[in-house]
Amino acid sequence: EAGVTQSPRYAVLQEGQAVSFWCDPISGHDTLYWYQQPRDQGPQLLVYFRDEAVIDNSQLPSDRFSAVRPKGTNSTLKIQSAKQGDTATYLCASSFPGGANTGQLYFGEGSKLTVL
Amino acid sequence: AQSVTQPDARVTVSEGASLQLRCKYSSSVTPYLFWYVQYPRQGLQLLLKYYSGDPVVQGVNGFEAEFSKSNSSFHLRKASVHWSDSAVYFCAVSMWGTGSKLSFGKGAKLTVSP
Repeated sequence: EAGVTQSPRYAVLQEGQAVSFWCDPISGHDTLYWYQQPRDQGPQLLVYFRDEAVIDNSQLPSDRFSAVRPKGTNSTLKIQSAKQGDTATYLCASSFPGGANTGQLYFGEGSKLTVL
Repeated sequence: AQSVTQPDARVTVSEGASLQLRCKYSSSVTPYLFWYVQYPRQGLQLLLKYYSGDPVVQGVNGFEAEFSKSNSSFHLRKASVHWSDSAVYFCAVSMWGTGSKLSFGKGAKLTVSP
C-alpha cells in the first residue's frame, strides 16, 4: 500500500514569492491534515479536511496561507508572498474513516521550505 | 486546551543501555496519548498509543510507555536500545471527538552511541 506522498520535497524561495505543496493521501483515507514543523519543533496543525470539507482552518497563520481538497482526495497548500518566518517543513497526514478520533495519523515525508 | 512538555530535547545513550524519554501532559480530562517517531528522511510513525485501561502500553520494536494520571505523565521506555533507534521522538495528546487535533511536544532527539 502506498503511503502519503508529498511534493516537492524541497523548495527555496525569496521573500515575496509563492509556493504550492501537493499531497496525495493513502487511498480510502477520508481525513487529511496539514501540519507546519519549524526546525527543532514539533508539528503544529494548520488545517484539516474531512472529504472535501474544511473542518478546521483556524490555525492557518494568515490569509497568505490557503488549502484546498476539491475532490476529497489530493490536497494543495499554498503560501502567497512567503516570509522568512514561513521557513519550516510542511507535513501532510491522513487517517482512515473513524481513525480521526483515535489520533492515529499517517504522515508523508514532508516538504521542506526555506525562505531567504 | 491540552498540551505536552518534553523536557529533554537531546538524549544520548550507549547501545544496549536502557532508555526513558519523559513526557508531561496538561489536560482537563484524561486525554489520549501517543508517541510518534521520526527517523531521518522519513515521515512520522506512530510508536504506541494510550486510550484507557492498563497504564502500560506496548509499542513496536520493544518500546513501551506508562501512563500516570497522578503525575500527568506518559514516559517512553526501552530496556535495551539499538543504534537504529536513533531518531526524534514526539509525545502527542488529543481529545476524543476533536477530530484528531493532535498537539505535539517539541520532540526529543535520541542518539545511540556505539
